[in-house]
Amino acid sequence: DQQVKQNSPSLSVQEGRISILNCDYTNSMFDYFLWYKKYPAEGPTFLISISSIKDKNEDGRFTVFLNKSAKHLSLHIVPSQPGDSAVYFCAASSPYTNAGKSTFGDGTTLTVKP
Amino acid sequence: NAGVTQTPKFRILKIGQSMTLQCTQDMNHNYMYWYRQDPGMGLKLIYYSVGAGITDKGEVPNGYNVSRSTTEDFPLRLELAAPSQTSVYFCASRTANTEAFFGQGTRLTVV
Repeated sequence: DQQVKQNSPSLSVQEGRISILNCDYTNSMFDYFLWYKKYPAEGPTFLISISSIKDKNEDGRFTVFLNKSAKHLSLHIVPSQPGDSAVYFCAASSPYTNAGKSTFGDGTTLTVKP
Repeated sequence: NAGVTQTPKFRILKIGQSMTLQCTQDMNHNYMYWYRQDPGMGLKLIYYSVGAGITDKGEVPNGYNVSRSTTEDFPLRLELAAPSQTSVYFCASRTANTEAFFGQGTRLTVV
């Protein structure tokens, strides 16, 4: 049973437009959510996170929204740039329990076309 | 500040061979993790450690072993390599309430 799901394996958007990446989770014990970005032949790098006590967190062009009742989060990138083309992983964890282990989704490959 | 360093970057093993994937972090992080990523899939947790001398199994520990004798090092040992262990391996570290920092990965092929 996959606890974190990213149902869109890929997404293609035009430069300057909004990219919306979605993530669903099933375990209500998760209280901390993260997005990581991964370029080919590199390790994932942290992008943005949100605690379950918030419903929105913004960092420059990146905003993460959390809907706890729907167990859904989304990452918005505005405006999208070609350098944003990468694989985006959603991860969920309980930082203060379970050794802070994160459960990852399978990733969404974002392609931003110039 | 090098962050998380993994060696080697690439390796080809024959079935039945053994090897150790090295992971070192210089951020004094207590928590360290080993993940594997198969094509088109997310990261699956193999083993993790909450501090020197303490390790525990993750989702997919079979065929692997780890040790944590120091805060900095968290090597992953593969015994009797099998084709199913062909994957990209990532080591990561973090403190209690921060994001994880990942190494660049080790691409392992078992033939």
